[in-house]
Amino acid sequence: KAGVTQTPRYLIKTRGQQVTLSCSPISGHRSVSWYQQTPGQGLQFLFEYFSETQRNKGNFPGRFSGRQFSNSRSEMNVSTLELGDSALYLCASRHRDRGRGTEAFFGQGTRLTVV
Amino acid sequence: AQTVTQSQPEMSVQEAETVTLSCTYDTSESDYYLFWYKQPPSRQMILVIRQEAYKQQNATENRFSVNFQKAAKSFSLKISDSQLGDAAMYFCAYRPPQGGSEKLVFGKGMKLTVNP
Repeated sequence: KAGVTQTPRYLIKTRGQQVTLSCSPISGHRSVSWYQQTPGQGLQFLFEYFSETQRNKGNFPGRFSGRQFSNSRSEMNVSTLELGDSALYLCASRHRDRGRGTEAFFGQGTRLTVV
Repeated sequence: AQTVTQSQPEMSVQEAETVTLSCTYDTSESDYYLFWYKQPPSRQMILVIRQEAYKQQNATENRFSVNFQKAAKSFSLKISDSQLGDAAMYFCAYRPPQGGSEKLVFGKGMKLTVNP
């Protein structure tokens, strides 16, 4: 069974540009969450999606957005990139229908560097 | 808001020895979930162990066990017979109760070094 797949693995962008990251959850998982990981702030929740609907959003500016498609794949977009957006972006999926005790499975992340 | 605190940024242990990682959390909920995740250099977060707050029995997974003290809001991880492959960042995480958000609240993490 394939795990959570995030593409691309590495990305270098220039300030002011925009970027789109992709996440394919484990087959059958309809819940997808995104996290930003930086050395200074640690792991911070960005947003979560379930059945194509955003269920919750973290404390990030409106430049950060996302969406989920009917096949549960999710994308997140960051517009007008800033140096501080350099981070590891992690996606996690969960079989939400099987109860809250089930674990979230993480992808290997996308390392975004803004120069 | 819920918070998770890992007060030790780094620890080291000798191979085959036992080490305990500490974690405290703050919540006003009575039913929730706690997790320990491991992040090796490959960066992929891997679940080590989970604990449901309504269960009094401490969770155990092979060499990994927890000491869950609900009243003290403490959730420590014990690694027995440490192996070189246990070297990684370890994160304690909290998930709110049923009907709440999917959001995991993570601690800052702790870097574990295993010495041969």
